[in-house]
Amino acid sequence: DTGVSQDPRHKITKRGQNVTFRCDPISEHNRLYWYRQTLGQGPEFLTYFQNEAQLEKSRLLSDRFSAERPKGSFSTLEIQRTEQGDSAMYLCASSLDWAGNTIYFGEGSWLTVV
Amino acid sequence: AQSVTQLGSHVSVSEGALVLLRCNYSSSVPPYLFWYVQYPNQGLQLLLKYTTGATLVKGINGFEAEFKKSETSFHLTKPSAHMSDAAEYFCAVSDYNQGGKLIFGQGTELSVKP
Repeated sequence: DTGVSQDPRHKITKRGQNVTFRCDPISEHNRLYWYRQTLGQGPEFLTYFQNEAQLEKSRLLSDRFSAERPKGSFSTLEIQRTEQGDSAMYLCASSLDWAGNTIYFGEGSWLTVV
Repeated sequence: AQSVTQLGSHVSVSEGALVLLRCNYSSSVPPYLFWYVQYPNQGLQLLLKYTTGATLVKGINGFEAEFKKSETSFHLTKPSAHMSDAAEYFCAVSDYNQGGKLIFGQGTELSVKP
């Protein structure tokens, strides 16, 4: 399978713990995006990378959230001191370098904070 | 700022009937428009997209959409619904100023009755 892969698919954590999600984009794609989706809502943009550079961060990305993309390959999204409001699906996506290109999504990582 | 409005959070049709899912957008520059489908507990799959050129766009699974600039609309249609079309559908907008990030609507859940 050469699509976007995300790990883990499901994570249950206690409030206050840190969690990290990993995303492996389609190999030739230089753009990588993170979105968050809650039940009954459309995905909301969090941040995106062009190669290893993080070019934009949404106001939704509080200081407890950090994303990296070392060497412009895989990416990680870390949430520190999780809160119940962080419970959501975190979607990773990738594309080639043009705004009209198709953005391919992974299966998502479900986070439940208890 | 860009935005997307999907009219109707839930649409129900009978198998074999016409499917019409409505999407209106707001953008200050020429938009790129997308329709994605999401099955339960899965990521998003692209149905079709409009970037430039022909305003009637054909996608996968028999879906099509027409870009109408004067109406700022990009409605999704399918002549004959199939049970397997039951899913959540999202309209999204982007443009060359946005780094390729997508702004999504709230989604429309399509139910298909036998």
